Amino acid sequence: GDSVTQTEGLVTLTEGLPVMLNCTYQTAYSTFLFWYVQHLNEAPKLLLKSSTDNKRTEHQGFHATLHKSSSSFHLQKSSAQLSDSALYYCALSGHTNTGKLTFGDGTVLTVKP
Amino acid sequence: ETAVFQTPNYHVTQVGNEVSFNCKQTLGHDTMYWYKQDSKKLLKIMFSYNNKQLIVNETVPRRFSPQSSDKAHLNLRIKSVEPEDSAVYLCASSPTGGAPETLYFGSGTRLTVL
Repeated sequence: GDSVTQTEGLVTLTEGLPVMLNCTYQTAYSTFLFWYVQHLNEAPKLLLKSSTDNKRTEHQGFHATLHKSSSSFHLQKSSAQLSDSALYYCALSGHTNTGKLTFGDGTVLTVKP
Repeated sequence: ETAVFQTPNYHVTQVGNEVSFNCKQTLGHDTMYWYKQDSKKLLKIMFSYNNKQLIVNETVPRRFSPQSSDKAHLNLRIKSVEPEDSAVYLCASSPTGGAPETLYFGSGTRLTVL
């Protein structure tokens, strides 16, 4: 079945440093990857999505590139802000026709002054 | 801008009681979902409905039952709650339910079972 792996459960950074959250996946079907962000006591919201191999996708200062050769979709940002502190989920839509997403375990990003 | 509304925000109950959570979306979407977010923040799909029809029914205990009156509403009933049901239940919607689509989540209902 489909699976998503986020290797870091918790990432703590100092404001201004670069962010990189890892995401790798496995699927036997077509590949569409998402990053969702959930701030404390809020709903998860879409941050980025992509299905195009080797194309950089950007939104709100974050970017990610889907690499099908390595089954990866890492999330990056050049300079962390305090407001980036949140829970980040990588998700995969591999199985078609159901809209079902398979989520990774999530990475809690804490940005300190 | 909130477009997926869940009630209640919190619910505390005793083992064995029945609970019901409501979800309404105002986006005009055809598909709605229930996800469970456990204490470790793991997010797992439970059900999805497309225009009042059950599409996805993951392996969840039979005490869980979704209820849909129309495509804008999807409620979740839990008969005889267990301690392991303590979690945040997130409702979501998407335009058609076909893959791949953006999910729009509600803020969740936090259930605590004593």
